[in-house]
Amino acid sequence: DSGVTQTPKHLITATGQRVTLRCSPRSGDLSVYWYQQSLDQGLQFLIQYYNGEERAKGNILERFSAQQFPDLHSELNLSSLELGDSALYFCASRAGGSDTGELFFGEGSRLTVL
Amino acid sequence: TQLLEQSPQFLSIQEGENLTVYCNSSSVFSSLQWYRQEPGEGPVLLVTVVTGGEVKKLKRLTFQFGDARKDSSLHITAAQPGDTGLYLCAGPKRVGGATNKLIFGTGTLLAVQP
Repeated sequence: DSGVTQTPKHLITATGQRVTLRCSPRSGDLSVYWYQQSLDQGLQFLIQYYNGEERAKGNILERFSAQQFPDLHSELNLSSLELGDSALYFCASRAGGSDTGELFFGEGSRLTVL
Repeated sequence: TQLLEQSPQFLSIQEGENLTVYCNSSSVFSSLQWYRQEPGEGPVLLVTVVTGGEVKKLKRLTFQFGDARKDSSLHITAAQPGDTGLYLCAGPKRVGGATNKLIFGTGTLLAVQP
């Protein structure tokens, strides 16, 4: 158990819909990262938050948005869903903003868009 | 274009065999990490290497960081079925100012047959 909690674990929805994925980081961790994992693209960095502020952005689509709340939990919102958005979405947390610190991953949210 | 290329992409071996997985880049990294991901779970950190030429051992796993800090390798001695999983290298990539994002390699899927 990494201490990072993601909900829901599985989600099936239709094209055009909107979903929200939730992440609770390890207790005390200030940094939250979101990644998308698919068979053809591997593990792709989407966005990072540190203590409520956006810290770094990756290949995150404009249809996707995220935020980190004062209690440090984070949400990833995916809208106007397309078939290609089907993937595993991982949240990870880290104690600080260090480049070498360990990332602790949740078990992921599997999104299927039909 | 993937910044971190791993080879081989897939590897299926018998229990007791040795193997090496490679992580290569044309860019210099300040550090590299290796993670292992098992089905249905998020990646888990195995090691962080920070010095060019560094060698780290973790039981039957030996990690090496290239002298030029552009590549790394993971050698497993006497592989066991419990070593089965997806092996990912990861390194920080600067996105602006002092901010880095952690990017992951293309992955090596290892299957160790009993």
